[in-house]
Amino acid sequence: DVKVTQSSRYLVKRTGEKVFLECVQDMDHENMFWYRQDPGLGLRLIYFSYDVKMKEKGDIPEGYSVSREKKERFSLILESASTNQTSMYLCASSPPGPNSPLHFGNGTRLTVT
Amino acid sequence: AQSVSQHNHHVILSEAASLELGCNYSYGGTVNLFWYVQYPGQHLQLLLKYFSGDPLVKGIKGFEAEFIKSKFSFNLRKPSVQWSDTAEYFCAVNPPPGTYKYIFGTGTRLKVLA
Repeated sequence: DVKVTQSSRYLVKRTGEKVFLECVQDMDHENMFWYRQDPGLGLRLIYFSYDVKMKEKGDIPEGYSVSREKKERFSLILESASTNQTSMYLCASSPPGPNSPLHFGNGTRLTVT
Repeated sequence: AQSVSQHNHHVILSEAASLELGCNYSYGGTVNLFWYVQYPGQHLQLLLKYFSGDPLVKGIKGFEAEFIKSKFSFNLRKPSVQWSDTAEYFCAVNPPPGTYKYIFGTGTRLKVLA
C-alpha cells in the first residue's frame, strides 16, 4: 500500500518566518504534488514535480517554492509566511502518466499568526 | 475551460437513507473521472474511478458512480448510508493533455445522523 508521509500534522508559525513542509513517499512514484485545501475552494495545485529536480508551477504558486532533490521527497517552502497562507496543505504522489490516481498524505494544517 | 462542479456543498442524511452526490464536468477530450473521500482526520483516498468501458463503476464501501456522457455527469451513489460515511467527497477529472493539473470540484460535506 502506498504511503505518503507528511512530517507535521499541525504547525504554528509567525508572519515572516521561513516554513518547510516535508513529504516523503515510499512507492518510487515519479510524480509528486503539493495542494492547498480551503473550505469552499476545494483543492488548488501549488506545485508539482515529475522527476528529481524538475518542477512546474500549479495554479497558485505565488509565495511558495519547492525542492525535489531525491525522488521520494518533495518539500514545500514558504519563503516568508503570511497569514493568508494559513491552510491545510496536502502532498500527493502518483505513478507516471497523467491518468493515474493520486495518493495523498494526511495533510499539514498550518496556522500563521 | 475544463472544470468540475459539485453543486451540493453540504448534505445531511439519516442512516439508511439513499445518497446521490452530483458531479458535472466541462472537458474537451477523453475524460477520466475520479471520486475521492476524506474521512474526518484521515487522508484523501480514492473511492472509485472511471476510465472506459461500463459506465457504471463500483468502488469501495458500497459506493458506485455512473458516467453519463450526454449529461457530462458522474454522480456518486449509495443505496443506504451509514454513520461512518460522514466525510467530504471530491469529484475530479484527469489533467488536460500536456499538463498534470487534475481538476477537482469544491467538495461535498456529507453528514450522516445516527
